[in-house]
Amino acid sequence: SQTIHQWPATLVQPVGSPLSLECTVEGTSNPNLYWYRQAAGRGLQLLFYSIGIDQISSEVPQNLSASRPQDRQFILSSKKLLLSDSGFYLCAWSPGLAGPYEQYFGPGTRLTVT
Amino acid sequence: DQQVKQNSPSLSVQEGRISILNCDYTNSMFDYFLWYKKYPAEGPTFLISISSIKDKNEDGRFTVFLNKSAKHLSLHIVPSQPGDSAVYFCAAYNAGGTSYGKLTFGQGTILTVHP
Repeated sequence: SQTIHQWPATLVQPVGSPLSLECTVEGTSNPNLYWYRQAAGRGLQLLFYSIGIDQISSEVPQNLSASRPQDRQFILSSKKLLLSDSGFYLCAWSPGLAGPYEQYFGPGTRLTVT
Repeated sequence: DQQVKQNSPSLSVQEGRISILNCDYTNSMFDYFLWYKKYPAEGPTFLISISSIKDKNEDGRFTVFLNKSAKHLSLHIVPSQPGDSAVYFCAAYNAGGTSYGKLTFGQGTILTVHP
């Protein structure tokens, strides 16, 4: 069966510090991978998606970047965090373009920028 | 432009009764719809989906109805249980486009089921 891992679970970082969140998927190959952010009391905002190694698309201009160095590894980064980067970050995977179209989410990382 | 809308931010229901969560969409190219359930500080969990070739899909206590002409879908939970208390997101997908698996999510509805 497939599992998705995210770490760390919680993170408190000062403004201006770097960020690295990691996501890995097990039990599948060539998944589509996604990074979402949920700000307090808001819906899910898609940040990045990837259909393959080194194939990253950004949905919104922002202070963050993403990389996919291996098939089942997806990393969210920032060189200098802003207060507005605080939120709940979720990684998700889906089987691919031919369906099924369900996305499966990791447990999330709570990021607080102080 | 909010292509998927959940106009009710919250819903309160008594245990044992029916919960009806609603979702509207504007993009007629969407042809696959999903519902997710999310507890605080956890990732969303997939609940149920429906293709646009159907108007109903049932899975245990959960039923999703799709009205394509009205661009409206709803999730029925019968009977509602206190453990169903969570945020519910609807999502939509255009399988025929170049969406690369991207789902468009609504803003979510907080369901509270009272014992």
